[in-house]
Amino acid sequence: RKEVEQDPGPFNVPEGATVAFNCTYSNSASQSFFWYRQDCRKEPKLLMSVYSSGNEDGRFTAQLNRASQYISLLIRDSKLSDSATYLCVVNEGGSYIPTFGRGTSLIVHP
Amino acid sequence: DADVTQTPRNRITKTGKRIMLECSQTKGHDRMYWYRQDPGLGLRLIYYSFDVKDINKGEISDGYSVSRQAQAKFSLSLESAIPNQTALYFCATSDPRTGSYEQYFGPGTRLTVT
Repeated sequence: RKEVEQDPGPFNVPEGATVAFNCTYSNSASQSFFWYRQDCRKEPKLLMSVYSSGNEDGRFTAQLNRASQYISLLIRDSKLSDSATYLCVVNEGGSYIPTFGRGTSLIVHP
Repeated sequence: DADVTQTPRNRITKTGKRIMLECSQTKGHDRMYWYRQDPGLGLRLIYYSFDVKDINKGEISDGYSVSRQAQAKFSLSLESAIPNQTALYFCATSDPRTGSYEQYFGPGTRLTVT
């Protein structure tokens, strides 16, 4: 089975903190990469795609390191509403079938 | 209205019963997927379909079957439910023709097999 590994956490941080998650993948032929957010008992929703050059969306920054086969998500100035599980998703080349990591739980407290 | 819908949203059934979970989408996407999610195990792919005539097994297809009745409908069946099929089931769609491989998920079906 092609592996996508994440630290399950939970990461417990105060409001305003900066927190970073990493995700490693085993298939060097992987072509596209994503971070999804999942609230408790809800469906996953795309947070951001991860591009080779790195990309930023407001307080969120995603980076890809192909040589070391990992992607990262950095959240700055954490909000209470950022509390959720963050899923790393890797699509293998060719058919682009997604493989999901098990998720990293983030709890932001006052 | 939601673009990807699933019915039922919750279901309790007994061991040995046949059950069908249904998924419909209005996004016009060709690709549809069925996943199950168990606590601590993330989402695992059961079956996927790239179009009406193209259905493929995923990582954990044993004990499940699917039917792609139309571009918009993709059903998952458990022919003889067993307790370890208790899980949260998600349907998803995607359309690479848009230039994105983003997956759009339905709200999920919570299935309990007693």
